[in-house]
Amino acid sequence: AQSVTQLDSHVSVSEGTPVLLRCNYSSSYSPSLFWYVQHPNKGLQLLLKYTSAATLVKGINGFEAEFKKSETSFHLTKPSAHMSDAAEYFCVVSPPRYGTYKYIFGTGTRLKVLA
Amino acid sequence: GAGVSQSPRYKVTKRGQDVALRCDPISGHVSLYWYRQALGQGPEFLTYFNYEAQQDKSGLPNDRFSAERPEGSISTLTIQRTEQRDSAMYRCASSLYNVIVTGEGETQYFGPGTRLLVL
Repeated sequence: AQSVTQLDSHVSVSEGTPVLLRCNYSSSYSPSLFWYVQHPNKGLQLLLKYTSAATLVKGINGFEAEFKKSETSFHLTKPSAHMSDAAEYFCVVSPPRYGTYKYIFGTGTRLKVLA
Repeated sequence: GAGVSQSPRYKVTKRGQDVALRCDPISGHVSLYWYRQALGQGPEFLTYFNYEAQQDKSGLPNDRFSAERPEGSISTLTIQRTEQRDSAMYRCASSLYNVIVTGEGETQYFGPGTRLLVL
């Protein structure tokens, strides 16, 4: 069975400091992994996607994530937080290969950026 | 269209009424998905269409929920005899292909959602 755990429901950082949002997954096979961001009253926006190529994935707005199979982790990082990064972030696992299509979402991490 | 659109954005209804939620996917996208998101939770899969065919409806909670996509484009999620526990954000997403074609997780593009409140 596939599942994803976001280890922190809330994270607060000061503007200009690094961001770390943690995600662990459970999958019988190497999955596709995604990070999405949700700003208030907006739809979910894709930040980045890992499928099976490079383990370090760069996304939009300076975010990146590293796929670590040995740790079953896909943590999201950004070197320097900006006020506009305040939002809710979802880690998503998509089961592998043919016949699969469902996204399995984590419960979300709400990022607060302090001035 | 430029993105996935959903209507209405907000719906308040009384218990026992039927509601229809509409999703207009990105033009040309083959696959369409419905998810439900309870407060404080991540979205949960409801159902999936490939063109007009409903490939999987395993996530629909009971037979009061149904969905259709008759012409392979716009989709409607219908909830009959609504109950208070149906209150949630209902999200629609579309993807250009389905994973059966590409063999890997396809990027899904989400609409803004419909927030349903059942009184």
